[in-house]
Amino acid sequence: DVKVTQSSRYLVKRTGEKVFLECVQDMDHENMFWYRQDPGLGLRLIYFSYDVKMKEKGDIPEGYSVSREKKERFSLILESASTNQTSMYLCASSLGLTLFFGPGTRLTVL
Amino acid sequence: AQSVAQPEDQVNVAEGNPLTVKCTYSVSGNPYLFWYVQYPNRGLQFLLKYITGDNLVKGSYGFEAEFNKSQTSFHLKKPSALVSDSALYFCAVRAPVGGTASKLTFGTGTRLQVTL
Repeated sequence: DVKVTQSSRYLVKRTGEKVFLECVQDMDHENMFWYRQDPGLGLRLIYFSYDVKMKEKGDIPEGYSVSREKKERFSLILESASTNQTSMYLCASSLGLTLFFGPGTRLTVL
Repeated sequence: AQSVAQPEDQVNVAEGNPLTVKCTYSVSGNPYLFWYVQYPNRGLQFLLKYITGDNLVKGSYGFEAEFNKSQTSFHLKKPSALVSDSALYFCAVRAPVGGTASKLTFGTGTRLQVTL
């Protein structure tokens, strides 16, 4: 089975802190994605990557950056966390059309 | 721009009854359509997809979905609901062009509540 793991299930940070969310997949998938999930808004794509060191902006990239130095790892960075970035963050990977999701990180920014 | 609408925030069904979770979409060209499910405190899991071919697609856990091009719909169905089907369901669409990394657009989700 494909396994996508995320470094933390719950995270509490303060406004202005730099935050790193890590995601690792074990199936050698080329594509990786970061979404945020908010009630009433569904899932919105922040960034995705289709290869090592490659990245593309999704629908809501503002306030975020990403890093993909190795194929299995895709990191989401909040350069200066703000309260409106309090959300559930979901990482996913895919080789073909089907996405495989991690369990999510619930981030609270105080 | 592509989009998905899930018109119902919540669907309530008694166990043993059939269920339908509605989804309509907008995309250029022929769509790729997906359903995902999220159980409490879990990540999303893939249920089924429509790429081409038969309009009735069968997926995991006894779910199926019917693609209707004229109505631009892809409703999720199950003949007999179980309490364990209670979860949050997301419909998603993407255009066929752009390679496998092309973005998937999700709906806002429908909470399915199945009661005894």
